[in-house]
Amino acid sequence: QKEVEQNSGPLSVPEGAIASLNCTYSDRGSQSFFWYRQYSGKSPELIMSIYSNGDKEDGRFTAQLNKASQYVSLLIRDSQPSDSATYLCAGGSNTNAGKSTFGDGTTLTVKP
Amino acid sequence: DGGITQSPKYLFRKEGQNVTLSCEQNLNHDAMYWYRQDPGQGLRLIYYSQIVNDFQKGDIAEGYSVSREKKESFPLTVTSAQKNPTAFYLCASSIQGVNTGELFFGEGSRLTVL
Repeated sequence: QKEVEQNSGPLSVPEGAIASLNCTYSDRGSQSFFWYRQYSGKSPELIMSIYSNGDKEDGRFTAQLNKASQYVSLLIRDSQPSDSATYLCAGGSNTNAGKSTFGDGTTLTVKP
Repeated sequence: DGGITQSPKYLFRKEGQNVTLSCEQNLNHDAMYWYRQDPGQGLRLIYYSQIVNDFQKGDIAEGYSVSREKKESFPLTVTSAQKNPTAFYLCASSIQGVNTGELFFGEGSRLTVL
């Protein structure tokens, strides 16, 4: 079992819809979670960090963390074609000096 | 502008050659990392460094070497011992102690073995 698993893609949504990206993790020692966006051929860019149970909202993005279920999600509201990218979920542990374990990514396509 | 600079962006290597990828940051970050990404896969950690003159192996360190002589610089050498070096290499940095997992990435170096 991979330490961080993301829902298999690709995911396609129409413009204006909500895109839901999911991630589960196996290491209960993981304390912090991150979502990175990676456009094709480019490097990842951090878009959300979440450290405690519950929701965290930033503009059109909402990250949700449920440590009991070992589940992290990212919701993108009012999806735009510019949101089309691969989204990487990563988990970090405070005991691992900031090392992050990444999932394989979910590719999102937003169709106009 | 603060950021991370990786060079070269594209590199071709013949089998049996060592190559060094450069990574320089002016963010004043303490920690630096090297990740490898293969097509359709996530990032795998090669090496990381939390402080000058100290570094630790990541999950796939075999065939790679690093140095951290300056806070700003963390070069990666891909040696001939690395059996399948063709990949996208990403250097990242983070602030130690606070939000340590928030990584800032360079633009990457794409290595192809001929």
